[in-house]
This record gives sequence, C-alpha cells and structure tokens, in this order.
Amino acid sequence: EPEVTQTPSHQVTQMGQEVILRCVPISNHLYFYWYRQILGQKVEFLVSFYNNEISEKSEIFDDQFSVERPDGSNFTLKIRSTKLEDSAMYFCASSKQGAGTDTQYFGPGTRLTVL
Amino acid sequence: DAKTTQPPSMDCAEGRAANLPCNHSTISGNEYVYWYRQIHSQGPQYIIHGLKNNETNEMASLIITEDRKSSTLILPHATLRDTAVYYCIVRGLKAAGNKLTFGGGTRVLVKP
Repeated sequence: EPEVTQTPSHQVTQMGQEVILRCVPISNHLYFYWYRQILGQKVEFLVSFYNNEISEKSEIFDDQFSVERPDGSNFTLKIRSTKLEDSAMYFCASSKQGAGTDTQYFGPGTRLTVL
Repeated sequence: DAKTTQPPSMDCAEGRAANLPCNHSTISGNEYVYWYRQIHSQGPQYIIHGLKNNETNEMASLIITEDRKSSTLILPHATLRDTAVYYCIVRGLKAAGNKLTFGGGTRVLVKP
C-alpha cells in the first residue's frame, strides 16, 4: 500500500539555523500539506500546495517558512532561522484531488528539536 | 467548517466494541464527517468518512444520525493497538487544498 514518507525522523538543530524537512508524497497525489504538532497540543495546519503554488496557509506559516517541490517526487518544508518555539512534530500529507471530500494521508512525521 | 465536540477520554475493554461519539450540531448540508486517529506521536491515520449514510470499512463503522448533528465511530472488536487519540473532523466542499482542522479528540485506552 503506497504511503507518505518523511526524512529525517528526528532533526536536532541550533536556534537560528536553517532546516529542511523532506517528504515524499504518494506518487499519484497532486495536493500536498504540512501540519505541525507541538508536544501536548493539537495538530495544526501550516500550508497546502498544488501545481507549484501555495493554495492556503495559516498564520503560523510566516516568512520564515517556505515550501517547494524541487522535483517530481519530493516536497520540502524549509524553516530559515529556527526558533525554540519551532520545536514540534512536523507531518506531511498528500491527497489526490484536494477537494473537501478528498482524503489526506499523513506521513510518520519529523520531530524537530531546536536547542 | 463546523465545530465538533468529543469526550476527552474513554476506556474500552479489549475485544469489546468501542463506540466513540461526536457532536457536530452546526454541520451544514455539504459537509462531511471524517475520522482520523493518532497512535502515540505518529502521523494521523485516516479511518473513515461519510456524508449522511452509514459507512463501514475494514477498520470501523460510522453511524450518522438522521439530522446529521452527531455521529458515532464504532470499532467492532477493540484491540490494544487501537489505543490512540481519535479525531472527528467536519470538512466542507471547498475548493482545492481543503485543510483539516483538528480538535482535541478522544483519548481511547483499550484495556486487557
């Protein structure tokens, strides 16, 4: 069964450093998403991406964040200058069509720890 | 998207059916009810979704009341591996890239 994969599983970085989190969505999916979950809190939407453009982004997704689909298989989330409060689990998801009835499938997550 | 209300936690005996309620009294006619679960800190896992008819798949059954203001997720024979946080989410038929809005969910503990 196809699944979303994410690398690395755990990333430790120093405050102020740039990090890139990588995701490989399910191969025939066209819509891609990033969510995050701070320890003990709810899963929060960050951004959705389709046709090489951001479809929607939350207030969390400020200028420090960017997304990219650098090739036909990878989808990345970059945080330019990490802060302590960026420490969280980051989940990538993908879906076929993106409409309200379309199912999003999630990857296992990357745990980001900012020191 | 309509707001949902779920009990914060519930226990279930292994081998018994687990019935997880969700209230979505402000749901509108074109909004679907989705259920996901999250085992420990893993990525949310899709379970099932429905509009107004009851639905069943290999994981669970979804019972939606006739007025659509509430629903129940049924895990027919709970196992220890079903211990997780279960999220009930209402999603509308928006344009592309429709986000999922997670609430607090119900923390289900399956006991031997």
